[in-house]
Amino acid sequence: DVKVTQSSRYLVKRTGEKVFLECVQDMDHENMFWYRQDPGLGLRLIYFSYDVKMKEKGDIPEGYSVSREKKERFSLILESASTNQTSMYLCASRQGAFNEQFFGPGTRLTVL
Amino acid sequence: KNQVEQSPQSLIILEGKNCTLQCNYTVSPFSNLRWYKQDTGRGPVSLTIMTFSENTKSNGRYTATLDADTKQSSLHITASQLSDSASYICVVEGSSNTGKLIFGQGTTLQVKP
Repeated sequence: DVKVTQSSRYLVKRTGEKVFLECVQDMDHENMFWYRQDPGLGLRLIYFSYDVKMKEKGDIPEGYSVSREKKERFSLILESASTNQTSMYLCASRQGAFNEQFFGPGTRLTVL
Repeated sequence: KNQVEQSPQSLIILEGKNCTLQCNYTVSPFSNLRWYKQDTGRGPVSLTIMTFSENTKSNGRYTATLDADTKQSSLHITASQLSDSASYICVVEGSSNTGKLIFGQGTTLQVKP
């Protein structure tokens, strides 16, 4: 079974802090994704990566950056957390376009 | 603009009853349509994936249909159980090589005893 894990289920940070969200997948997938999910807005794509050291902006990249130094790991970075970044963050991976996308359990981030 | 619209936004049914969730999309060109189930506080889990040549696919008590001409899909749940209480998300993938996914806002289903 494909497994996508995220470093924390719940996280509470203060405004202005630097926040790291880690995601690891164990199936050697090429593509990895970061989404945020908010009530009434559905899932929105923040960033994605086709391969190691490659990244592409999604629909809402402002205030975020990403890092993919190893194929299995994709990190989302909030350089200076703000209250409007309070959300559920979901990581996903898949082998390539048109293949099934597998999601992690999510990290619920609260920024105070 | 590529969009995926789901209805109803929320639904309450009694255990054992059937229900149907709707999904309309305007994504073009189209590659495939997926239905995901998301339990509260969890990540989405895939139920079905259909390409334009498939018009029905089942996964246990879940049956998805697709009409690529009218750009509509439905998810039918038979003999509902309490564990079916979740959000159901319709996702459409375009056929460009980026394979970008367009997500619907989801239908929240509550099954009551």
